[in-house]
Amino acid sequence: QVVQSGPEVRKPGTSVRVSCKVSESFMSVSSVNWVRQTPGQGLEWIGWIVGGSGNTNLARKFDKRLSLTRDLSTGTAYLELSSLSSEDTAIYYCATVPGGQLAVYFDSWGQGTLVTVSA
Amino acid sequence: QSVLTQPPAVSGAPGQRVTISCTGGSSNIGAGFGVHWYQQTPGTAPKLLIYNTNNRPSGVPDRFSASKSDASVSLAITRLQADDEAIYFCQSYDTSLSDVVFGGGTTLTVL
Repeated sequence: QVVQSGPEVRKPGTSVRVSCKVSESFMSVSSVNWVRQTPGQGLEWIGWIVGGSGNTNLARKFDKRLSLTRDLSTGTAYLELSSLSSEDTAIYYCATVPGGQLAVYFDSWGQGTLVTVSA
Repeated sequence: QSVLTQPPAVSGAPGQRVTISCTGGSSNIGAGFGVHWYQQTPGTAPKLLIYNTNNRPSGVPDRFSASKSDASVSLAITRLQADDEAIYFCQSYDTSLSDVVFGGGTTLTVL
């Protein structure tokens, strides 16, 4: 079960941090991915972090203001997005790739975290 | 503009068969990267329906299947039921973008 932190409201220009508890460790997953969905719109991939190594792959659109980290001791992954604008208002999901898989697909999803950016 | 192209909407009557296409290019589906499908109902997170083009996770009925032809994949839903009403997304990986890519989503209406 993947559990995310609660909704956030931020002003433009600030940052937000969203957490995603995957398990007691990252042993059962290949990577934790972040995907966002704007109201009434489609899905947009943000980036991934490999649980074991901590290596990341960030979508070019976000890489200058995005940080993905993880805490091995608690099995929790974090997304931090800075320089927020109204266009970042969306539901942010974390989703896991099963352990041992080379293909990137998401078999478990968090419940989603609504991030609202408003002055 | 999504890298993978899906029709915005499809519909069908209960008991019928519908298909949803997902068209990519030579840097994603055509390059051999797996295609995966998700089902999303209002207010919920997407749910994995098909992975690696034609594999179903446990619990997904065999009414759902997928097939591939060149740079295009089709999701087929047979014996349509009312609770199949949802948005369906395809997803793959694009080697030229080095990004995970999604289709724009297809809304299925059961008439």
